[in-house]
Amino acid sequence: QKEVEQNSGPLSVPEGAIASLNCTYSDRGSQSFFWYRQYSGKSPELIMFIYSNGDKEDGRFTAQLNKASQYVSLLIRDSQPSDSATYLCAGSLNSGYSTLTFGKGTMLLVSP
Amino acid sequence: GAVVSQHPSRVICKSGTSVKIECRSLDFQATTMFWYRQFPKQSLMLMATSNEGSKATYEQGVEKDKFLINHASLTLSTLTVTSAHPEDSSFYICSARDTQGGPLHFGNGTRLTVT
Repeated sequence: QKEVEQNSGPLSVPEGAIASLNCTYSDRGSQSFFWYRQYSGKSPELIMFIYSNGDKEDGRFTAQLNKASQYVSLLIRDSQPSDSATYLCAGSLNSGYSTLTFGKGTMLLVSP
Repeated sequence: GAVVSQHPSRVICKSGTSVKIECRSLDFQATTMFWYRQFPKQSLMLMATSNEGSKATYEQGVEKDKFLINHASLTLSTLTVTSAHPEDSSFYICSARDTQGGPLHFGNGTRLTVT
């Protein structure tokens, strides 16, 4: 059973702080990982994807992948109230980004 | 960027009727599209994989005769919820990726309410 695990939260951080979201996965065959942001009642939107060990930065967001430990994380620097949403971690078995297995998501609350 | 259009965004229907949801890739071709369902405060659950020109692949526990999927072209997949019942009320979301590769992009979702 392929699983992607996330703490449901909520994770509460003050505005301007760094939010750290974590995700673990059970299938060592997973190659690619994705972070999606989902606002309440809305569809998920892609934030970042990563498939190599190490860090990948895009603006205020940094994705980190450690395949040996089977975890993926997303750091959000200078958190803003508008970042308050549920963050979904997803893994894919191959670099072709086919079927994704989603975690249940972590709710992030950024207080002004 | 890749855009996936889903229609309608919201539908209310009576129990026993059928509802069709369309998913279109607007600026790319998609051999494969995916249909998800999300109940309140739950994660996305993959229902089926829609393959252009062939039968859809359904996940375990999803009734293929109830959730009819048609992927007639490289830019359009449809999901028809047949004989809908209140327990089918949910948020249905399609996704697709370019045949050239790249991550999945999601449509805006369809909120179905069956009364």
